[in-house]
Amino acid sequence: EAGVAQSPRYKIIEKRQSVAFWCNPISGHATLYWYQQILGQGPKLLIQFQNNGVVDDSQLPKDRFSAERLKGVDSTLKIQPAKLEDSAVYLCASSPRTYDRPETQYFGPGTRLLVL
Amino acid sequence: KNQVEQSPQSLIILEGKNCTLQCNYTVSPFSNLRWYKQDTGRGPVSLTIMTFSENTKSNGRYTATLDADTKQSSLHITASQLSDSASYICVVSSFSGGYQKVTFGTGTKLQVIP
Repeated sequence: EAGVAQSPRYKIIEKRQSVAFWCNPISGHATLYWYQQILGQGPKLLIQFQNNGVVDDSQLPKDRFSAERLKGVDSTLKIQPAKLEDSAVYLCASSPRTYDRPETQYFGPGTRLLVL
Repeated sequence: KNQVEQSPQSLIILEGKNCTLQCNYTVSPFSNLRWYKQDTGRGPVSLTIMTFSENTKSNGRYTATLDADTKQSSLHITASQLSDSASYICVVSSFSGGYQKVTFGTGTKLQVIP
């Protein structure tokens, strides 16, 4: 079974530039998560999708971050314009369902962003 | 506010020794607790999962415990190996509005030295 794919793996941009990350979840997984992980900290949830609908985006800085999941499969996360404090690893995860039993989140390798 | 706190923040142990990592949480309503291992440059990988009724779960040399009354969990690593060097993250889930919501701890960075 193929895992969660993310691209690019690394990105260096200057502040005020725009950047986009792409995630392809495990086939058939209904739930997709984007996390921001700053060095030395645990992942922080940015947005959670159930199919192509948003379940939780309470911690997404909506003035500069946006995300979409067209057709309930692939997802893109965009930052426009980027700030220095956006330097982090952006992790994408997927899970098969979010109903009444626990399920495992499967994480991609992450995209490491450096804003100069 | 849901929170997950882990201790110690970092730990260095000799190869072959045992160690225990701690996790305290204030997540409600509680659904399950997981321990993840995150190698440098990689995404987290699930080690164990425990629901409210479980108080111990093992995965090889990893043993997790859960005390739902005190809202504490621990991860015990037996006979550590160099490959155990990683960050270990405690994650607590709750269900709200029919959806799983997860709260991550900040992790414990473990370094196993020869």
